[in-house]
Amino acid sequence: EAQVTQNPRYLITVTGKKLTVTCSQNMNHEYMSWYRQDPGLGLRQIYYSMNVEVTDKGDVPEGYKVSRKEKRNFPLILESPSPNQTSLYFCASSSNAGTSGSGNPYEQYFGPGTRLTVT
Amino acid sequence: AQKITQTQPGMFVQEKEAVTLDCTYDTSDPSYGLFWYKQPSSGEMIFLIYQGSYDQQNATEGRYSLNFQKARKSANLVISASQLGDSAMYFCAMREIIQGAQKLVFGQGTRLTINP
Repeated sequence: EAQVTQNPRYLITVTGKKLTVTCSQNMNHEYMSWYRQDPGLGLRQIYYSMNVEVTDKGDVPEGYKVSRKEKRNFPLILESPSPNQTSLYFCASSSNAGTSGSGNPYEQYFGPGTRLTVT
Repeated sequence: AQKITQTQPGMFVQEKEAVTLDCTYDTSDPSYGLFWYKQPSSGEMIFLIYQGSYDQQNATEGRYSLNFQKARKSANLVISASQLGDSAMYFCAMREIIQGAQKLVFGQGTRLTINP
């Protein structure tokens, strides 16, 4: 079954304690990204990766790190979490998009989400 | 400037009625795509429907259709014959290609409640 998995699904931690949220996909997708979801703001992109060893910042990268050493995995690292990083996090993957504006959906497959609370 | 705008924070609809969720977008790129996702209370993001900017016809998927009005830059989701299970948060999103990289930009969401 094609899927994106995230772990953990729920995490409560304290300020400053480093944590990693893992993301893995089994669809051989080149493109992976991380989003955070906050009430009234929708989903905002944190980081994305076009392929192995290729990563770049999204709209809200401050306080986060990522790595892409293998095609299937794209972990999100919070070196020193703070309460303002309390949020719902989603990992997503897709095939690298072409430039066509028609045809196939270039659908992004989302993981189940990780609810993070930083106290 | 907001690239994706969903002006309805919440909507309440009677079961079996049709419902339209509004979405307007802003881009100068001629090649883009528009998505709608459903997020039930369990939290997962469920893909509903996609419209490419060059697609001539409005996209349809079962009870979902996308009313794509390119000149007005709107991409409203229409759900026909609503069901109780349609109660959820709905997000409109736009796919842009920026320097070869795909990016999804989301609206704020609309919380839809279907009343029996």
